Amino acid sequence: EPEVTQTPSHQVTQMGQEVILRCVPISNHLYFYWYRQILGQKVEFLVSFYNNEISEKSEIFDDQFSVERPDGSNFTLKIRSTKLEDSAMYFCASNPQGTYEQYFGPGTRLTVT
Amino acid sequence: AQSVTQPDIHITVSEGASLELRCNYSYGATPYLFWYVQSPGQGLQLLLKYFSGDTLVQGIKGFEAEFKRSQSSFNLRKPSVHWSDAAEYFCAVGAQAAGNKLTFGGGTRVLVKP
Repeated sequence: EPEVTQTPSHQVTQMGQEVILRCVPISNHLYFYWYRQILGQKVEFLVSFYNNEISEKSEIFDDQFSVERPDGSNFTLKIRSTKLEDSAMYFCASNPQGTYEQYFGPGTRLTVT
Repeated sequence: AQSVTQPDIHITVSEGASLELRCNYSYGATPYLFWYVQSPGQGLQLLLKYFSGDTLVQGIKGFEAEFKRSQSSFNLRKPSVHWSDAAEYFCAVGAQAAGNKLTFGGGTRVLVKP
């Protein structure tokens, strides 16, 4: 069964560094999302992406964050100048045209030191 | 704005006993409702979903959920819990439109006693 994949599974970075989290959505899916989950807290929506542009973003998703679909398969989340509070599990999700259930990847645990 | 409340942060249940996890949502129109399960260190796995039609929906791993519009609830149930059901369970609501975000509840952590 096709699944969403994410790399790396764990990323450790120093405060102020830039990180890129990578996702490969399921191949025929058209809608892509990033969510995050700070340890012990609820899963929070960051951004949705369709037709090569952002369709919705949360107030968390400020200028520090950006998303890109650089080719036909990858979907990336870039975090510039990371802060300690960016430490979280970041989930990528996707869904195909015509359905509304989102398929989640296994997540990337980002630790900012 | 849409929101989801899961009133129970932790639930402990004996193996073989029944389980019910509560979920209340707030949404201005007809919602799409989901239950996801997250095992420790793992991602989110979809257990079941409600879009329309029969208000009792069946999911994977023997779970079911009932949509009650009058109570704005979507409670998850399992008749007989297995030790492998120990995990965190998240209820989520989404708009009936593609590309819309999911809003998650705070989660309920289920512990299973032998």
